[in-house]
Amino acid sequence: AQKITQTQPGMFVQEKEAVTLDCTYDTSDPSYGLFWYKQPSSGEMIFLIYQGSYDQQNATEGRYSLNFQKARKSANLVISASQLGDSAMYFCAMREGSQAGTALIFGKGTTLSVSS
Amino acid sequence: EAGVAQSPRYKIIEKRQSVAFWCNPISGHATLYWYQQILGQGPKLLIQFQNNGVVDDSQLPKDRFSAERLKGVDSTLKIQPAKLEDSAVYLCASSFAGQGADTIYFGEGSWLTVV
Repeated sequence: AQKITQTQPGMFVQEKEAVTLDCTYDTSDPSYGLFWYKQPSSGEMIFLIYQGSYDQQNATEGRYSLNFQKARKSANLVISASQLGDSAMYFCAMREGSQAGTALIFGKGTTLSVSS
Repeated sequence: EAGVAQSPRYKIIEKRQSVAFWCNPISGHATLYWYQQILGQGPKLLIQFQNNGVVDDSQLPKDRFSAERLKGVDSTLKIQPAKLEDSAVYLCASSFAGQGADTIYFGEGSWLTVV
């Protein structure tokens, strides 16, 4: 079974608009972390935002915020005021457990295209 | 602070040849990861090191892939012999402790094309 599901292969948005990228996850571990990464065409994975399973508030980092709905097992990324430079592939990832030695599991990604 | 360094950036080889990728993690990071990313997919973990010990290599095709991190710092990933399906980006990443909110930082990747 898929641990991380990103159902939107591609999303299109105009500059200055907000966009939501969907992510659902599956785990039975009560302790886990959710990450979002951006991958431009150059290939580097850039860390954007993190949400821990016990965090009471939704994470925010500048124009990025994470809409965390624990009961629904969703962790959607919201990008406010989109910019042309936001065009890239976006990956949702999860780390299960709190012990050392657990790697990230990635979804298949969503391609975001921002137009002027 | 220097990021994760990888080389070579690009490599084209014929099937059945061998190739090696090198990675130098961020200074002080104990955990090092190698991920394989096939075009259009998310990265898949190949192997994870904690210092110079292997934590997880369950998805490493051991008949053709090998990796080492001898002194607990830099690492080498080798493929021998290469197959067409090994064409992918090989991403090296590192983190301080590999747990909880500990962020994983990635290099720019080594792009492999097998022809």
